[in-house]
Amino acid sequence: GQSLEQPSEVTAVEGAIVQINCTYQTSGFYGLSWYQQHDGGAPTFLSYNGLDGLEETGRFSSFLSRSDSYGYLLLQELQMKDSASYFCAVRAPMNRDDKIIFGKGTRLHILP
Amino acid sequence: DTAVSQTPKYLVTQMGNDKSIKCEQNLGHDTMYWYKQDSKKFLKIMFSYNNKELIINETVPNRFSPKSPDKAHLNLHINSLELGDSAVYFCASSQRLVNEQFFGPGTRLTVL
Repeated sequence: GQSLEQPSEVTAVEGAIVQINCTYQTSGFYGLSWYQQHDGGAPTFLSYNGLDGLEETGRFSSFLSRSDSYGYLLLQELQMKDSASYFCAVRAPMNRDDKIIFGKGTRLHILP
Repeated sequence: DTAVSQTPKYLVTQMGNDKSIKCEQNLGHDTMYWYKQDSKKFLKIMFSYNNKELIINETVPNRFSPKSPDKAHLNLHINSLELGDSAVYFCASSQRLVNEQFFGPGTRLTVL
């Protein structure tokens, strides 16, 4: 089967750093994406890792280790507006194309 | 200049009815998707269309049928609605083999 595991909830303090982990088990793998979704809103793309290592985009960074089937999203200098759900998503081969498989999401609570 | 739009935003209907949700993207993407997000926020892909060809058809009931009149539109028709169909349905689009998906605002379907 194919599965992605990420914590259901994480709580952190404003201004701090938080890491959201994702482990995956899929038949085939192209890369790992992260999406942010605020309550009542649509998922929005944050980052993609196709190769091992760290990708940095402003306050957000994403890491991938293909050998460990593991990745994480790192959020620095947390702001209240970062309170949202964060989904990891694997891009994997499917028939003659590819598909995106989403994890169940991590709800990030930020305390003032 | 909306990128991915869906109508209606809210849909309340009785069990057994047939309804459609429309989706349009003006990004020039060649792949469009339908996702279902249930009350637990689990985001599951239902269909994917690439150049008017169905390339992914997850194990969804055949009461659900995607229809794509052209590559900018992917509509979702649902027959004989059931209580369990209540969810938020998201349309998304991407350029084939590009990792970022752009999501529409979602349609909240409530079946009474």
